[in-house]
Amino acid sequence: QSALTQPASVSGSLGQSITISCTGTSSDVGGSMSVSWYQQQPGKPPKLMIYDVSHRPSEISNRFSGSRSGNTASLTISGLQTEDEGDYYCSSYASSDTLIFGTGTNVIVL
Amino acid sequence: QITLKESGLTLVKPTQTLTLTCTFSGFSFNSGAMGVGWIRQPPGKALEWLALIYWNDVKRYSPSLRSRLTITKDTSKNQVVLTLTNMDPVDTATYYCAHTDYGSRTVYLDYWGQGALVAVSS
Repeated sequence: QSALTQPASVSGSLGQSITISCTGTSSDVGGSMSVSWYQQQPGKPPKLMIYDVSHRPSEISNRFSGSRSGNTASLTISGLQTEDEGDYYCSSYASSDTLIFGTGTNVIVL
Repeated sequence: QITLKESGLTLVKPTQTLTLTCTFSGFSFNSGAMGVGWIRQPPGKALEWLALIYWNDVKRYSPSLRSRLTITKDTSKNQVVLTLTNMDPVDTATYYCAHTDYGSRTVYLDYWGQGALVAVSS
């Protein structure tokens, strides 16, 4: 069971949009509704941002959106703000009844 | 309001067994369709899923650590216990417990504890 692949870092200017990719296989990302995204800021636990591929918890800003194409899931942050800086992890439940996290992406706001 | 808190020894010696307890409030295993999982994060590294236990006592483990892990629940105490045997310095990490709502038969971790930093050193 390998970690899902994410870019190490993604940067964007204030107000811009960025997209973070999360690549897996047909046994996890491509074949599971259990794809989720987490934001983690320094010294804090992860926070759920997106669940079930594209659903957003009620308290999460609509600037965050999730999607999937084939074996790759994506998290888009629009109208980038300084408080969006941090690490982002994707996760998927796999057909082997295991949960897999991504390698993590550091988001930098320029 | 759902809260979770990890507790246990923060310093263990190599070869010892780590026992961590997750004490939660705001939900109950008796309510059904939910679970509690354990995740760890070595300093400066990515999240790694360890284990998950559902309300019906179904258990799932990370394949790479299955032989060393045990997850149990105590419904009356609102607790989940994780044990990891034969600890090694590479097991040094912050250990989190988290709640999953299984109502829609999907798995996502919507509430997390603050984490417990465990160091392995002689």
